[in-house]
Amino acid sequence: GAGVSQSPSNKVTEKGKDVELRCDPISGHTALYWYRQRLGQGLEFLIYFQGNSAPDKSGLPSDRFSAERTGESVSTLTIQRTQQEDSAVYLCASSFLAGGWTDTQYFGPGTRLTVL
Amino acid sequence: GENVEQHPSTLSVQEGDSAVIKCTYSDSASNYFPWYKQELGKGPQLIIDIRSNVGEKKDQRIAVTLNKTAKHFSLHITETQPEDSAVYFCAASIKTSYDKVIFGPGTSLSVIP
Repeated sequence: GAGVSQSPSNKVTEKGKDVELRCDPISGHTALYWYRQRLGQGLEFLIYFQGNSAPDKSGLPSDRFSAERTGESVSTLTIQRTQQEDSAVYLCASSFLAGGWTDTQYFGPGTRLTVL
Repeated sequence: GENVEQHPSTLSVQEGDSAVIKCTYSDSASNYFPWYKQELGKGPQLIIDIRSNVGEKKDQRIAVTLNKTAKHFSLHITETQPEDSAVYFCAASIKTSYDKVIFGPGTSLSVIP
């Protein structure tokens, strides 16, 4: 079946502009995550959505970052007034949560953001 | 909160040799330990996982071991091939009201033909 998709795959923007990144999770997955991955670095947790519960925003690095999710479908990550240090690959993952055990996260291919 | 450490950060092996990557975690409540492989320009892909009720799991050339007492878990790749070259991430998570997974910093594996 279809995996997690993200768009755009690449985004080049000028410093100070706003950008919006999109994630389409696997159908039926109730949980959705955003991560940031700087060049040669690990995965930095940004935000987590689970169903209709309040999102866990504890990883957002500043108030310039925000994310929305409509129900259990598409999510958008918005970065306002972009800075050069925002340049990174932004990864989205989704998982199906059932009672008991943690379930596997499936990642999209990422959006490579370059801020000039 | 949970902290995951991973060693080594880089690893080079000859084709056909074995590769071992080790991780430690801090929170004894962690109960799920996935391993992801990330090839250049792609998102991470799950390659194997282990839950806290088992000590070892194997899938062809890949195996993972878990020592809950020591809070260690390791990835073993045998008979390495050039296509195993990638960055590998370990992770740990705790089943709570939500589901936060903490990733290690990654190991860059190079398999030399």
